Amino acid sequence: NAGVTQTPKFQVLKTGQSMTLQCAQDMNHNSMYWYRQDPGMGLRLIYYSASEGTTDKGEVPNGYNVSRLNKREFSLRLESAAPSQTSVYFCASSEITAYEQYFGPGTRLTVT
Amino acid sequence: QKEVEQNSGPLSVPEGAIASLNCTYSDRGSQSFFWYRQYSGKSPELIMFIYSNGDKEDGRFTAQLNKASQYVSLLIRDSQPSDSATYLCAVGDENDYKLSFGAGTTVTVRA
Repeated sequence: NAGVTQTPKFQVLKTGQSMTLQCAQDMNHNSMYWYRQDPGMGLRLIYYSASEGTTDKGEVPNGYNVSRLNKREFSLRLESAAPSQTSVYFCASSEITAYEQYFGPGTRLTVT
Repeated sequence: QKEVEQNSGPLSVPEGAIASLNCTYSDRGSQSFFWYRQYSGKSPELIMFIYSNGDKEDGRFTAQLNKASQYVSLLIRDSQPSDSATYLCAVGDENDYKLSFGAGTTVTVRA
């Protein structure tokens, strides 16, 4: 039982490049989330999926898109990376929304 | 945007002492409350959750909730150096589908 997994663990992009961050959970959770964490800013919600087939914007969605591929997988895409998107990205899941969330190990992204 | 406020610290406590962390929240309708521990360079780890007013104990951790005062706290008894981490408070509302996180309190336990 791996919990929440994320790939890649580290990534360096040049401004304007695109990439997709992958997230998968094996806990049969309904809800999944993408956060970014910056020093002094805490965790900020980018997008979430309350259940399979639905996605909604969080606090900081600009510059990102998401896909809930199936119940297990929720991906985050940066279409044209910017230095302001340098951050640590965490995926999380919960059985139902607004309840206990479990986090993946994170992806450290640097955009130069 | 719902506000969740925590003292950023650092909170320094001697080994064996009690560490007391506080969190206040702005939305009176909040119904679920969580404490996460985050070691440097790692992901947040859920250590406590509480839904009802009062105290909830789990090992050396006690969460205290006072909805009237919109206040939730975490006590760490017999603090150990391994408790040195940043502690994040999170608040949820089942009608809002997501949690709001505070910026975290950094705790250092000195041997």
